[in-house]
Amino acid sequence: EDQVTQSPEALRLQEGESSSLNCSYTVSGLRGLFWYRQDPGKGPEFLFTLYSAGEEKEKERLKATLTKKESFLHITAPKPEDSATYLCAVREGSQGNLIFGKGTKLSVKP
Amino acid sequence: KAGVTQTPRYLIKTRGQQVTLSCSPISGHRSVSWYQQTPGQGLQFLFEYFSETQRNKGNFPGRFSGRQFSNSRSEMNVSTLELGDSALYLCASSQQGGLANEKLFFGSGTQLSVL
Repeated sequence: EDQVTQSPEALRLQEGESSSLNCSYTVSGLRGLFWYRQDPGKGPEFLFTLYSAGEEKEKERLKATLTKKESFLHITAPKPEDSATYLCAVREGSQGNLIFGKGTKLSVKP
Repeated sequence: KAGVTQTPRYLIKTRGQQVTLSCSPISGHRSVSWYQQTPGQGLQFLFEYFSETQRNKGNFPGRFSGRQFSNSRSEMNVSTLELGDSALYLCASSQQGGLANEKLFFGSGTQLSVL
């Protein structure tokens, strides 16, 4: 069965304290791994797509990496405005459905 | 360009009733997907519509149905509501959907509470 597991469920950081979020997956025929950010009361907002092991993408303080079994979202020197729930999703190969993890809720304190 | 618009924003219903949610995708997007989000299960895929046809369906009972109109607007219907149907219902659009590896654009969702 295709699965996506994110850890930790919640993460509290001080402003400037770098850390990483993990997304591990088991899926037949990975067609892409996606990271989204979701703020309270809003829908998820796209951050990155990764397609193959070894690929990396960056945007401001965020950097996403991909291996054959997991992806990491590295947050460097976070700011309070980075507080949100970060969702990982994989697109499986047969129907193209997006399978989401349950997310990591990040809180960054000033 | 306007984003994905979902209406209504909030709904309160009682058990046994039915409800219809609406989604207007980004102009030019022909694929509309629906997701249910709950604290316990996270985001779960309901179904996808493309050019007025349901292309894909998740593992939900037949009480959950949808349709898409010729202008790509979509509606989702839930009949005989149960307490467990309380959730945030999210709509997402993309140009092609399906196996095309596109990012999805989400609306802000409809928060449904079943009492």
